[in-house]
Amino acid sequence: GENVEQHPSTLSVQEGDSAVIKCTYSDSASNYFPWYKQELGKRPQLIIDIRSNVGEKKDQRIAVTLNKTAKHFSLHITETQPEDSAVYFCAASIGYGNKLVFGAGTILRVKS
Amino acid sequence: EAQVTQNPRYLITVTGKKLTVTCSQNMNHEYMSWYRQDPGLGLRQIYYSMNVEVTDKGDVPEGYKVSRKEKRNFPLILESPSPNQTSLYFCASSPRDRPLYEQYFGPGTRLTVT
Repeated sequence: GENVEQHPSTLSVQEGDSAVIKCTYSDSASNYFPWYKQELGKRPQLIIDIRSNVGEKKDQRIAVTLNKTAKHFSLHITETQPEDSAVYFCAASIGYGNKLVFGAGTILRVKS
Repeated sequence: EAQVTQNPRYLITVTGKKLTVTCSQNMNHEYMSWYRQDPGLGLRQIYYSMNVEVTDKGDVPEGYKVSRKEKRNFPLILESPSPNQTSLYFCASSPRDRPLYEQYFGPGTRLTVT
């Protein structure tokens, strides 16, 4: 079946540095790519998303880039802060756009 | 307050004993979905529903059933739970015109099957 690979599985950065998480997907029909943040013991929350007709999207310190030709997309967090520490999941739509396939997650630790 | 609720939040049960996890949303959303979360595997979709009486399989439907008799409720049924269904379960909902774009997740149900 369709899958999404996410790297790295863990990422430690110093406060103020940038963090980059990368995902690749297999379904060429995928057209929606959300990113979720999950703090310890909490539910996943959407932080940013991108659709296939856009190459990049930014929201303050967070940005997502999409390369449809290579079938990969990335999350960029600049000026990281301790409260950015969490698990981050990427996902891609499959089928008729009614289903999501998630990556395995990246544990981000921001050291102060 | 707009929300998705799940009950119970924690459940320990034994193999073979039927159970139901309820999910309810108060946002009049058409689309609802169930996911399970396991370490190293991310979230995997179990079933989803586009509207009342319309349900479809996700990636890991085996061993689960769902029903959608009312718009606000989408229960997850385990007819004969097995230890490999021990997991953290999330329900989610979103408007039909944006079925994946704005998913609101419930607080999660941690299920242990012994």
